[in-house]
Amino acid sequence: DAGVIQSPRHEVTEMGQEVTLRCKPISGHDYLFWYRQTMMRGLELLIYFNNNVPIDDSGMPEDRFSAKMPNASFSTLKIQPSEPRDSAVYFCASSPPYQGESTDTQYFGPGTRLTVL
Amino acid sequence: RKEVEQDPGPFNVPEGATVAFNCTYSNSASQSFFWYRQDCRKEPKLLMSVYSSGNEDGRFTAQLNRASQYISLLIRDSKLSDSATYLCVVNRYDMRFGAGTRLTVKP
Repeated sequence: DAGVIQSPRHEVTEMGQEVTLRCKPISGHDYLFWYRQTMMRGLELLIYFNNNVPIDDSGMPEDRFSAKMPNASFSTLKIQPSEPRDSAVYFCASSPPYQGESTDTQYFGPGTRLTVL
Repeated sequence: RKEVEQDPGPFNVPEGATVAFNCTYSNSASQSFFWYRQDCRKEPKLLMSVYSSGNEDGRFTAQLNRASQYISLLIRDSKLSDSATYLCVVNRYDMRFGAGTRLTVKP
């Protein structure tokens, strides 16, 4: 089974440029999450969707960040304009409909390592 | 105060040792608790859920104490392959992660 797919795996860009990160969740999963991980702040939830609808975006740092989920198999996280402090690893995760404890988990993608110069 | 706080670590233990990690959470309404494992430069992966009655999976035992708002993870007979960062997680959807505790198991 294919897991959560993220692209690109690595992105190096210059300050001020637009960055788009992509995620394909596991088929059949109805929750999708975007996280950011840095040494200083650890792993932070940015936003999550249920059935393609954003449920909680309180973790999105500022207006430069936006996320969309146009369909059940694709989501994007966009940073415009990017800044050096956005450098981090961005993870996407998905989880299946809750049907008891055996389904109570999130599956993470391999992450996108973003460097903003 | 952070929502989820973990032992700062790092923990350096010999093979075969027993090691325990603790984690406290601030939101008394929290319902779901997990331990995730993250290897260096990899994604987090679920290690085990933490149930009210406590649960065991081989060498790993997780406990929940709602009154004191902490969860724990016990690893018995530690292996070299257990070396990783262990993340305490609270909530099912709007997950709150602890900063992680790094474990190194040495020969």
